[in-house]
Amino acid sequence: QKEVEQDPGPLSVPEGAIVSLNCTYSNSAFQYFMWYRQYSRKGPELLMYTYSSGNKEDGRFTAQVDKSSKYISLFIRDSQPSDSATYLCAMSGVQGAQKLVFGQGTRLTINP
Amino acid sequence: GAVVSQHPSWVICKSGTSVKIECRSLDFQATTMFWYRQFPKQSLMLMATSNEGSKATYEQGVEKDKFLINHASLTLSTLTVTSAHPEDSSFYICSARGGADTQYFGPGTRLTVL
Repeated sequence: QKEVEQDPGPLSVPEGAIVSLNCTYSNSAFQYFMWYRQYSRKGPELLMYTYSSGNKEDGRFTAQVDKSSKYISLFIRDSQPSDSATYLCAMSGVQGAQKLVFGQGTRLTINP
Repeated sequence: GAVVSQHPSWVICKSGTSVKIECRSLDFQATTMFWYRQFPKQSLMLMATSNEGSKATYEQGVEKDKFLINHASLTLSTLTVTSAHPEDSSFYICSARGGADTQYFGPGTRLTVL
């Protein structure tokens, strides 16, 4: 079993739809949770960073962490064609830990 | 803020030659940088952790004599792929640690070995 599981998709939705992206994990030591967006042939771009359980909102993006279920989500409201990319979840343990563990990434396409 | 650059963005080389990739944190100091490898439609695989002024820590299965890492300053880490072979062709991405456990990624370097 992988430490972090993420549905690779591809996921295709119409413009304006609400998108839900999810990851599950098995390591209860993870406390820092991140979502990255990666366009084709580019490096990942940090979208959201969350510590422990709870919600965090930034514009059209909302990140949720449920540590009891070992489940994290990223919601995109009013999706735009420019949101088409691969979304990677990542997580790490106690502060100071060096390694991020990534999910496989979900390929998302927003259709105009 | 938190910009990381990589150079070159792409490189083509002949089998047996060595290639150096630079990773720079442009607007912050990074005592720790990371090197990843990414195959098409796959996630990032951590190759090594680079700490300024000390030897890099390599992940299991990564040949340290083949992938030489140097982190000579707080803003620069280099990855040298020695005696490159076609199977080394990949997308190499660096990141720099910016506070807590966030990492900021460079744009990547596409290496093609003929």
